[in-house]
Amino acid sequence: DAGVTQSPTHLIKTRGQHVTLRCSPISGHKSVSWYQQVLGQGPQFIFQYYEKEERGRGNFPDRFSARQFPNYSSELNVNALLLGDSALYLCASSFGQLGNTIYFGEGSWLTVV
Amino acid sequence: AQSVTQLGSHVSVSEGALVLLRCNYSSSVPPYLFWYVQYPNQGLQLLLKYTSAATLVKGINGFEAEFKKSETSFHLTKPSAHMSDAAEYFCAVHGGGNKLTFGTGTQLKVEL
Repeated sequence: DAGVTQSPTHLIKTRGQHVTLRCSPISGHKSVSWYQQVLGQGPQFIFQYYEKEERGRGNFPDRFSARQFPNYSSELNVNALLLGDSALYLCASSFGQLGNTIYFGEGSWLTVV
Repeated sequence: AQSVTQLGSHVSVSEGALVLLRCNYSSSVPPYLFWYVQYPNQGLQLLLKYTSAATLVKGINGFEAEFKKSETSFHLTKPSAHMSDAAEYFCAVHGGGNKLTFGTGTQLKVEL
């Protein structure tokens, strides 16, 4: 079975541009969450969606938004990119919520120049 | 709020030696705790998780961790290090929903 898949794997954007990152959860998983990992640090929670509704939001500005589609896939959008948005963006999925095993994708490497 | 603290940002061991990576947690409710490993330029791979079923948790690749409530610890161990264990290790606590709060990570180096 396929794991959590993310696209694109690498991308370079210019300051002020917009980016959309995509995630497909493991088949049957209804919960998707997004994390930002800056080089040398642990991942930081951005959003969580369960059954297509936002269930949690981390301490990120409104430039960050996300949504979950009827097939449980998800998109993370970041507007007005800043140099500090350069990071590895990780998507994670699980069947349910608290206590369920959470599986991560390989991530999308975003470089803002 | 829940949090984890990983003591030692870098740990170096000889091949065949014991691996001990330290994690202490803070939680007002019984925690769900995880250890993940991250190889260079890759995502996170789950090593093991604690969900209160047993205090000693066995994971993949010979790793295990023991939950000690009295010490608020969840240290990761492996009896004999292998070169392929060199990676970054993250301890995490599971809060509401899918929110994982990660520690700052421990870089494990394995030397010949």
